[in-house]
Formats: sequence, C-alpha cells, structure tokens
Amino acid sequence: GAGVSQSPRYKVAKRGQDVALRCDPISGHVSLFWYQQALGQGPEFLTYFQNEAQLDKSGLPSDRFFAERPEGSVSTLKIQRTQQEDSAVYLCASSPGTGGSGVGNQPQHFGDGTRLSIL
Amino acid sequence: RKEVEQDPGPFNVPEGATVAFNCTYSNSASQSFFWYRQDCRKEPKLLMSVYSSGNEDGRFTAQLNRASQYISLLIRDSKLSDSATYLCVVNIGWDTGRRALTFGSGTRLQVQP
Repeated sequence: GAGVSQSPRYKVAKRGQDVALRCDPISGHVSLFWYQQALGQGPEFLTYFQNEAQLDKSGLPSDRFFAERPEGSVSTLKIQRTQQEDSAVYLCASSPGTGGSGVGNQPQHFGDGTRLSIL
Repeated sequence: RKEVEQDPGPFNVPEGATVAFNCTYSNSASQSFFWYRQDCRKEPKLLMSVYSSGNEDGRFTAQLNRASQYISLLIRDSKLSDSATYLCVVNIGWDTGRRALTFGSGTRLQVQP
C-alpha cells in the first residue's frame, strides 16, 4: 500500500520479555519518527531518523528502548525487559523531509500503530 | 506547563452547530502548526496545516495568533462524522534543532443528532 505500515497491530507480552515493533514508511520518505501514545494523551516523541541516521533519541524513556533503521527504510523499535508502564500505542510516522529546514515544517503521515499490552 | 495545551473537552454539540477549539504553545519561535484528527483507536490524520494568514478548507477554518501564541480551529455546520479527537500540533523545538512535532493531548468533539 501507499501508506505507513506497522506490524504487529497488537502485541501482548509478559513483563520482562523483549518485543520488536516494525515500521515500513512511505516509499522514498527520508524522515521517520517513533511516538508513544498513552490512553487519553497525544503522541509523545521517542526518536527520529533521517535515512539510516538516528539524529534524535531524546524521547526514549530508558535504555531499554532501542531503535534502528539500518538501510534507511524499514525501522524497528525494540523494547527490552518490558515493564507494565510500557503498555501504550506505538506510532510510526514518516515525512518526505530532506533534512535541514524541511523536516520540522512538514506534516507527518502516521501508521495504524502497534497496541502493546504488558501483562 | 505543557508545551502545547488544549482543553480536553468533551465538546458536545448538536448537528449543524459551529464549534471552536483553541490551543496554546510555549515557544514563540515555533514555525509550523497543524491540526490532526484522531478517531477512536485509529492513527492521527492530518486535517490541515495552519498558516500565518489563516486558512480555510471547506467547513474548517484555522487561525494563528503569534502574539498570543495560540492557534484555533473552527468547524462550521458540524456533522456527525466530525466526532473525533482534534490534536493541536506544533514544531516546538524548531529553534533548538528538534525536528519532531509536539502534540497536545487533544480536544474531544462529540456531535449529536
């Protein structure tokens, strides 16, 4: 399809397990963002990639969270030793952004998200 | 204080009504502003960008007031299908090199028949 694709749509894991969430951005989009959305809140920034470079990871809540985009297209967000407070919807967004002044001025296109529940 | 603040609502309005939402933001250097719409258990979708001179898209009008650091969204002739959460979005950290967008918590609108 033409949009941002995320998988899985739903993930249930036991506390302490590791999980991996996948994002396939719109083809050709340089910029990729991960957000975390808790119930009743707006999305909160986790990390940003320009191509394969992770330029901003200031929103990652702990060192248990790790993201990569090795070939500049598909990205994976990994959460190690999951905790109950990690339960949320994880949204991926992409924008054409060629870096510099373009990126922050462009709207972002979101995937359906992965709803993560930690038991 | 949150960087982007919105009244959470809910705003309950009858069909055909006009409703307006405001949003305030913390950084006067912010450059880009958007309204997104989010339906229950769905992803946010861009509704419209907000331009300095204000802009209109059908029944929707967006305004920016830089001096007071707020943006607004006006919906005329509300439809049942307008029921959703409206997210105010700003590139707050623009002047510090941050490229991510900052979202408000959203304003919930319920249009009733």
